[in-house]
Amino acid sequence: SYVLTQPPSVSVAPGQTAKIPCGGYNIGTKSVHWYQQKPGQAPVLVVYDDSDRPSGIPERISGSNSGNTATLTISGVEAGDEADYYCQVWDTTSDHPYVFGTGTKVTVL
Amino acid sequence: EVQLVESGGGLIQRGGSLRLSCAATGYSVSSSYMAWIRQAPGKGLEWVSVFYADGSTKYTDSARGRFIISRDQSKNVLYLQMNNLGAEDTAVYYCARAQFGYPSYFDSWGQGTLVTVSS
Repeated sequence: SYVLTQPPSVSVAPGQTAKIPCGGYNIGTKSVHWYQQKPGQAPVLVVYDDSDRPSGIPERISGSNSGNTATLTISGVEAGDEADYYCQVWDTTSDHPYVFGTGTKVTVL
Repeated sequence: EVQLVESGGGLIQRGGSLRLSCAATGYSVSSSYMAWIRQAPGKGLEWVSVFYADGSTKYTDSARGRFIISRDQSKNVLYLQMNNLGAEDTAVYYCARAQFGYPSYFDSWGQGTLVTVSS
């Protein structure tokens, strides 16, 4: 089945920009979605279809996707952005249609 | 407002069975794609099973043959019957919804229910 790879951790100072990569073969041909999960809480959708945001998600959270890497970007990082972030794709031709990335822990220094 | 509430988790011995429930409010489970996703302690998210709006189902390899996903439209509830449980099934189990017409991502999640399999 399809594999999505993320770095285990990313550290960023407050006010700076965090970039979280999600690698997959030809991922640029798929729609990528991103979830934020804070400790003890359920995941929350923060970006869908590569770069769209659900209502209530701030504009400083954005996404892009090209080639073999999709990227979630958090600008002007705040302490409240500290969380685990997961990318996800839907592989319609697979018996394992929903694939999650390995997850990245974002630490605000 | 869409809300999903899971129940049915708990401590179970290896080889035992559990049935998880996910009660939905604010929309109909029959008009959406509903999935179970689990997270082992300290680990990432793992998709387990999906019930498509057309009634078809899919399972991850480790769940196929042991787990059964179903729904009760009259009660607006999604279920996951889990049989022959092993230590590797210990996890928080979330139910999640993908809207009809937008099956590729999950826009609503429950709070999760913890399943602990003891040996």
